[in-house]
Order: sequence, then C-alpha cells, then structure tokens
Amino acid sequence: QKEVEQNSGPLSVPEGAIASLNCTYSDRGSQSFFWYRQYSGKSPELIMFIYSNGDKEDGRFTAQLNKASQYVSLLIRDSQPSDSATYLCAATTGGFKTIFGAGTRLFVKA
Amino acid sequence: DAGVIQSPRHEVTEMGQEVTLRCKPISGHNSLFWYRQTMMRGLELLIYFNNNVPIDDSGMPEDRFSAKMPNASFSTLKIQPSEPRDSAVYFCASSSQRGGRVQPQHFGDGTRLSIL
Repeated sequence: QKEVEQNSGPLSVPEGAIASLNCTYSDRGSQSFFWYRQYSGKSPELIMFIYSNGDKEDGRFTAQLNKASQYVSLLIRDSQPSDSATYLCAATTGGFKTIFGAGTRLFVKA
Repeated sequence: DAGVIQSPRHEVTEMGQEVTLRCKPISGHNSLFWYRQTMMRGLELLIYFNNNVPIDDSGMPEDRFSAKMPNASFSTLKIQPSEPRDSAVYFCASSSQRGGRVQPQHFGDGTRLSIL
C-alpha cells in the first residue's frame, strides 16, 4: 500500500513565525509532489508543487524535496492567522494517480 | 475562468435511494478525478479518467459505485443503492496532462452527501 504520511498536529505557531510542515512518502518512484491548503468546510486549494530535489520558493512559501530521504516539506514564513488551515501533502504514484496524506492542522496565534 | 463545477452542493437522501453526483471539469483539462473525504479516512481517490477513459477505478469501494465520463465536459458518480456509510464529501478535480510531469489538480467545491 503506497502511502503519504503527515503529522496530524495541531501545529501551533505565533504570528510572524515560520511554520514547518513535513511529509514522507513510501513510493520511491514518485515524481511529482503537491501541497494543498484546506480551510474547514472548503475544498483543497493548491499552494505549491515541486518536481526536483531542492527548494522552490513562491512568496512566503517554500517547498523542499529530498528524494533520497523520501521527504517533502513546506515552510511558511511570516505566518498569519489566515494561514490557519489543514495542509495536505500529495505525491503521484503510477500514472496520474495522486495519493494524499491525512493533513496537518496549523494554527497561527495572533 | 470557471473552475471545476460540481452539483449538487448538498444532498440528503434516505438509505437505498440512488444518488447521482455531477462534475464539469475546467475547459481544456483532459484528466478528471473523483475523491471522497471523511474524517476517518481522509481524502481517498475513487477513480480517475484520462481523455474520457477510466484509467484506475481501484478506489471504488463496491459495485454500488459507478462513474462515467461521456464527454470531455461532464462526468457523473452514481451510488445505487446508497447506504449511511457513504455519507462524506465528494470532490471532483481536473488537470491538464500532456505527457511528462504530472500537473496539479484543481478541485471543485464538493458535494456534501448525507444518507439517512
């Protein structure tokens, strides 16, 4: 069973701090990785995607990928209360099939 | 541009009834995915289509579930007969796959299904 694992949290950080969200995946053949944000009662919204080892930055968000360790992370700089949500990590496994983690709940305290 | 459109947004029905969920993908997208989300099991892929052809339906829980994509702009997920354990939020997502890297999926607003 191919899996994507995330700490369910909640992860609580003060406003302005860096939030670090982590994810591991079991399929060594996974090539594409995604982070989605999901507010309560809403649908998942794409935040970042990354294909290559290393870092990818977009505004306050940085995605990090380490294929040797099968590890993906998302850093949120200058965290805001509006960043409070559940963050879903996803990895492809065979064709276009995408497996989602259970999500990490993030709380940013004002 | 219009995103993925799902209907209905909410559905409440009695056990044993047929339920049909509908999805219109983003125009130009050629892959469509149906997911089910519950607190206990998270977001589960049920089935996905590429160029209107079902590619992987291994996530469909039972024969009571069926999905079709008669054309590039419409898909249905049907449950017959429905059971209380089918209660969940059902999401449809679409993406544009043209070979090479797998592209991100874009989700609709979901259908919140309650089976009494």
